[in-house]
Amino acid sequence: AQKVTQAQTEISVVEKEDVTLDCVYETRDTTYYLFWYKQPPSGELVFLIRRNSFDEQNEISGRYSWNFQKSTSSFNFTITASQVVDSAVYFCALKSLSSNTGKLIFGQGTTLQVKP
Amino acid sequence: DGGITQSPKYLFRKEGQNVTLSCEQNLNHDAMYWYRQDPGQGLRLIYYSQIVNDFQKGDIAEGYSVSREKKESFPLTVTSAQKNPTAFYLCASSPSGSRAEKLFFGSGTQLSVL
Repeated sequence: AQKVTQAQTEISVVEKEDVTLDCVYETRDTTYYLFWYKQPPSGELVFLIRRNSFDEQNEISGRYSWNFQKSTSSFNFTITASQVVDSAVYFCALKSLSSNTGKLIFGQGTTLQVKP
Repeated sequence: DGGITQSPKYLFRKEGQNVTLSCEQNLNHDAMYWYRQDPGQGLRLIYYSQIVNDFQKGDIAEGYSVSREKKESFPLTVTSAQKNPTAFYLCASSPSGSRAEKLFFGSGTQLSVL
């Protein structure tokens, strides 16, 4: 069975604090993709990053960074120096390559509130 | 600008009524999807279509129906058989439905029961 768990339901930080969103996944497949999406109050999910299971390199993009560790089945997301505009629901998702469709398995989402 | 348009933004359903949610895309994508989002839960797949005139059930298809007569359109009908329809519905698309592609999402429709 495939599953994505985001144990943090809600996180509240003060602006400029760093915050890490946790994501743990389960899959029997050796080849898969992991995604992070952001859902602002407008409702639309915005793509942030995609990583494949072969590439365990950490990645940094501006204030965002991602830590992928296959050994612990985790794909955590860190926002450095958070801003009010970062307030949103963040989803981690898994796509197995044994599936020939674009179906994503989503975690429950983490609501991030950044206070001024 | 290319994108996915969902309408209406808010929809109300009476008991025993069928309602249809619209999803249109001008991205020339082959694959389209419908997801349901409940508070505090992740998104769950209702139906998907990888090509015109073809679609498959997702994880929670009961009480829903779809059609894919045109490439750019993938309407979702919530039937009276769906006993708990109140949720946020998101439509998505991807270029070909292949495994590595990211999904592009619309801005969603909030369906509530009167």
